[in-house]
Amino acid sequence: SAVISQKPSRDICQRGTSLTIQCQVDSQVTMMFWYRQQPGQSLTLIATANQGSEATYESGFVIDKFPISRPNLTFSTLTVSNMSPEDSSIYLCSVTGSGTQYFGPGTRLLVL
Amino acid sequence: AQSVTQLGSHVSVSEGALVLLRCNYSSSVPPYLFWYVQYPNQGLQLLLKYTTGATLVKGINGFEAEFKKSETSFHLTKPSAHMSDAAEYFCAVSEGVRLNTGKLIFGQGTTLQVKP
Repeated sequence: SAVISQKPSRDICQRGTSLTIQCQVDSQVTMMFWYRQQPGQSLTLIATANQGSEATYESGFVIDKFPISRPNLTFSTLTVSNMSPEDSSIYLCSVTGSGTQYFGPGTRLLVL
Repeated sequence: AQSVTQLGSHVSVSEGALVLLRCNYSSSVPPYLFWYVQYPNQGLQLLLKYTTGATLVKGINGFEAEFKKSETSFHLTKPSAHMSDAAEYFCAVSEGVRLNTGKLIFGQGTTLQVKP
C-alpha cells in the first residue's frame, strides 16, 4: 500500500489569497490525483498530474484556479488561487497502486 | 458514463444490530468497486474492493460486500454494529477499465449512526 502525507493538514485563509498544498508519497508513482470534497458532499476529481507533463483537468476545473506541479515521481503540489469562501473544502491527494486508489489524509481549508 | 447511487444519506442502527449500506452503480464496462470509510476529521480509508473473482468480498473491521451484477449492486454489510463504526461511508466505481485512469466516481456518502 502507498503511504501519502499532505501539508498543511488544515488552514484558514483570507479571500483573494492563494494556498499551496503539498503531497508526498512513499513510493514512485506515475500518476497522482487531486480530489475535492466540499462540505457535506462527496469527492470530485480536480485533475490528474503526470510527472513531466501538464496536468489534465476535469470539467469545471481550470489551471488558472488550480495550478498543479509534479516535479518528480513522489511529490506534487496543488495551489488554490484567488480563494473565495466557495473554495472551503477538503483537498485530497490520491495515487493508484495494486488495483486500489489510496488517499492522503486531506487538507482542510476554510476561506473567510 | 459511470455513476454511483447510495440509498439513504443517513442510516441509524443500534449497537449489535445488522449494518446494511446500499450502493447501486451503472457502468458500461466490468467495474472495479470500492467502499471507503471516513471518520470525523480524517481522510479516506479503504474498507474493501471488488475487482474480479469471488463476488463476496471481505474487508477490514468485519465489513463485507457482495457484487451482484444482475442487480448492479454492491451493498456493504456488517453483522453486528459497534459504536466505533459511526462514520461516513462512500461507495465508488472506477472510471475506465482496470483502474487505468485512476479516476473514481463516488456516491454521495452515507452517514452511519450507531446508538447505544
